[in-house]
Amino acid sequence: KNQVEQSPQSLIILEGKNCTLQCNYTVSPFSNLRWYKQDTGRGPVSLTIMTFSENTKSNGRYTATLDADTKQSSLHITASQLSDSASYICVVTPVNQAGTALIFGKGTTLSVSS
Amino acid sequence: EAGVTQSPTHLIKTRGQQATLRCSPISGHTSVYWYQQALGLGLQFLLWYDEGEERNRGNFPPRFSGRQFPNYSSELNVNALELEDSALYLCASSSRFSRVGGYTFGSGTRLTVV
Repeated sequence: KNQVEQSPQSLIILEGKNCTLQCNYTVSPFSNLRWYKQDTGRGPVSLTIMTFSENTKSNGRYTATLDADTKQSSLHITASQLSDSASYICVVTPVNQAGTALIFGKGTTLSVSS
Repeated sequence: EAGVTQSPTHLIKTRGQQATLRCSPISGHTSVYWYQQALGLGLQFLLWYDEGEERNRGNFPPRFSGRQFPNYSSELNVNALELEDSALYLCASSSRFSRVGGYTFGSGTRLTVV
């Protein structure tokens, strides 16, 4: 069964610190893996998109990595800011599937405190 | 470029009533997807419309229905509202031929059933 598991479920860090969020998936084969940031009560906003052949993708202080062999992805946040407090969702698209087949993780809730 | 717009932002209904939620996709996008996100849970796929046709639906009762108009905007109807229908309803749009990226979410409609 295609699944996306994220860890930790929640995380609290101090402003300025780095953190890494994990995503393990069983979707195979897959076409792309995305990380979204979702502020409370708002829609998810795309951070990074990686195809199966890419190993890393950066967007400012956000860097996503992908290991297709171990079926793991991580999202590294550098020098965290209060505005990084949000839910981070990992999404995998199975190959040759339309948008309805996106597999969503349940997300990691990040809280950045001062 | 305008993003995906959803209306209303908030909606309060009583049990048994009907709710209508609206979504306007990004210009040029022909596919519209609806998701339900209950508090603390991941996104659950509801419906997919493309070129005016319902292409797929998730594991939801027939009370959840919708349509897509010739201008590709869409509405989601929820009949006979139940308390557990309270959730954030998200709409996303994409180009039919998009392989990577182009999957953009709106800010959502918060439906509260009392």
